[in-house]
Amino acid sequence: ETGVTQTPRHLVMGMTNKKSLKCEQHLGHNAMYWYKQSAKKPLELMFVYSLEERVENNSVPSRFSPECPNSSHLFLHLHTLQPEDSALYLCASSQGVWAGDTEAFFGQGTRLTVV
Amino acid sequence: DAKTTQPNSMESNEEEPVHLPCNHSTISGTDYIHWYRQLPSQGPEYVIHGLTSNVNNRMASLAIAEDRKSSTLILHRATLRDAAVYYCILRGMNYGGSQGNLIFGKGTKLSVKP
Repeated sequence: ETGVTQTPRHLVMGMTNKKSLKCEQHLGHNAMYWYKQSAKKPLELMFVYSLEERVENNSVPSRFSPECPNSSHLFLHLHTLQPEDSALYLCASSQGVWAGDTEAFFGQGTRLTVV
Repeated sequence: DAKTTQPNSMESNEEEPVHLPCNHSTISGTDYIHWYRQLPSQGPEYVIHGLTSNVNNRMASLAIAEDRKSSTLILHRATLRDAAVYYCILRGMNYGGSQGNLIFGKGTKLSVKP
């Protein structure tokens, strides 16, 4: 248990569906992140939020839409995904986006399969 | 833009020490050296980090070269539960920039034999 909780743990969705991934942390952190991990590939940073404001979007397609309503919650809204979007989606949090001397805590991830 | 270089894989015997190397020849003065590990089917887990001096915690030790161009993660007694991919990452302190992001490379896959 890292203090970062992701739901659901597994999700299967069709290409025309709309779904959302949820991430929650009660560690008092002010930075939250979405990562994508495809099979046999390193983790890719997708979005960075600092104090509920998006500070980085690493060329992620618009079919992925993040939302950070408060410092404890982060969502990733999904629509019209492609099979190649199937991956493990990981959420993380840390105290400070640009604080190199702080550690990040990761959730267990959501295993997404697009059919 | 890989800032660190690690061996793809390493093997260890159970209950023996493991030294995982990392090269980071382009490290800047404000970059912290972080280590994370990822067990199968789990999210990454923080292991340790340091700036200049060697660091110890309950999980591992971090030995940093004097010129900071390389570092070594030391697991003092490997267990089967230590089998994971270990990532060495530089994390900066540049306010307003992206150097503070955790950017993962391929890491080192550690296998532990009984």
